[in-house]
Formats: sequence, C-alpha cells, structure tokens
Amino acid sequence: KNEVEQSPQNLTAQEGEFITINCSYSVGISALHWLQQHPGGGIVSLFMLSSGKKKHGRLIATINIQEKHSSLHITASHPRDSAVYICAVAVYSGGSNYKLTFGKGTLLTVNP
Amino acid sequence: NAGVTQTPKFQVLKTGQSMTLQCAQDMNHEYMSWYRQDPGMGLRLIHYSVGAGITDQGEVPNGYNVSRSTTEDFPLRLLSAAPSQTSVYFCASSSNGRSYNEQFFGPGTRLTVL
Repeated sequence: KNEVEQSPQNLTAQEGEFITINCSYSVGISALHWLQQHPGGGIVSLFMLSSGKKKHGRLIATINIQEKHSSLHITASHPRDSAVYICAVAVYSGGSNYKLTFGKGTLLTVNP
Repeated sequence: NAGVTQTPKFQVLKTGQSMTLQCAQDMNHEYMSWYRQDPGMGLRLIHYSVGAGITDQGEVPNGYNVSRSTTEDFPLRLLSAAPSQTSVYFCASSSNGRSYNEQFFGPGTRLTVL
C-alpha cells in the first residue's frame, strides 16, 4: 500500500465548478506539499502545510494532522487549471533532514 | 535567477551506454535531489545531497551514481543504461533538507533506453 494515496485519480469539471482533491497518508509527517504539473511541463510548488489552512488566489489547501488527511480546493475553476496535482509528505530521514514521498497525482481537466 | 536547470531535455540511449544528466541551481541551495517519474507511479527519490561533498541514497538508487563537488551542481550518472531506466528525470532543490522548505524543480529530462 502506498504511503500517500490521492483521490480521485482523474477528475473532469466544467469551468466555474468547485474542485476538491484529497490526499491521505499513513505515516507520521512534519509537513505536506501540494505541487502542480502541467502536461509535458515542469513541477511547481503550490503549498506547504504543517497545520490548518492556506489560501493563494483561488486555491485553498487544508490539512488535518490527526486524521492524516489533506485537501486541495480550487474555486471557480478555469481551463488553465488543467494539470496534474501531486501531494507529497515530508518524512523524517535522519539528522535534521526529511525526504518527500509522493502520491501518484490527480489529473484534472477543466472544460470551457 | 535561472532557478534549477537540467540538460539535456531529451536523450535516447542504447542498452549498456553510460551518460550523465546535468543539474544546476543558482539559488545557493544546500539540498538537491534526483527523482524519476514513471507512468502510474509517484515521483521516486533516486539520490539526494544535503550539501557539497555529501550524498545519500534514496528509494531507487541502483544503476545510478551521484556526486556533489560544488553547491551548484548535482549530476546524475547512469553507469550502464537499461530499458528499465526509461523515465522522466527531475532534479529538485530546496534551501535545506527541512520539511517545510519550498521545493524547486527543474524542467525534467526525458530518457529513453532502447
């Protein structure tokens, strides 16, 4: 079983819809990252969370450490939001260092 | 700043050939890492470095070597390429290895081994 599970794997939405992508993990973590990857493109960091909620524009990320769960929300979705969204958790690896373990990603397609 | 750069963007190798994927960053980051991305799987850590002269293995290190002689550069060497190493390779950096630091990724190298 993967340490990081994302759902859904694929998501198709109409422009303007509210989107939720979920991430569950099974190990103790100190932080969780949300990343965005456009088709054929590089990977960009969206959020880093260790507790609570963060907002950036139309994107909102929340985390519940006790329940080992995080969600990424997109309000008023737009076709340019079409991308793969990746959840990654930071797991302690010794000294003062951490390694990232990644989910498989959620492919979001927003149709006009 | 150029951020994290990777060369080449695309490469085709024959089984048994060796090559080096280049990665450089100009942000004076201590922590650098190499990942591979395969269809249906999450990014997997190959090797990482917490500073010049210090490297360590990640989840899938077999068949790859790294070195870190400078803060800026972190090349990944394929010793004897195999078809199983066909993948997209990403280099990443962050200011240090702490959990809360923003990760900066290079554009990726798409490698095909025939």
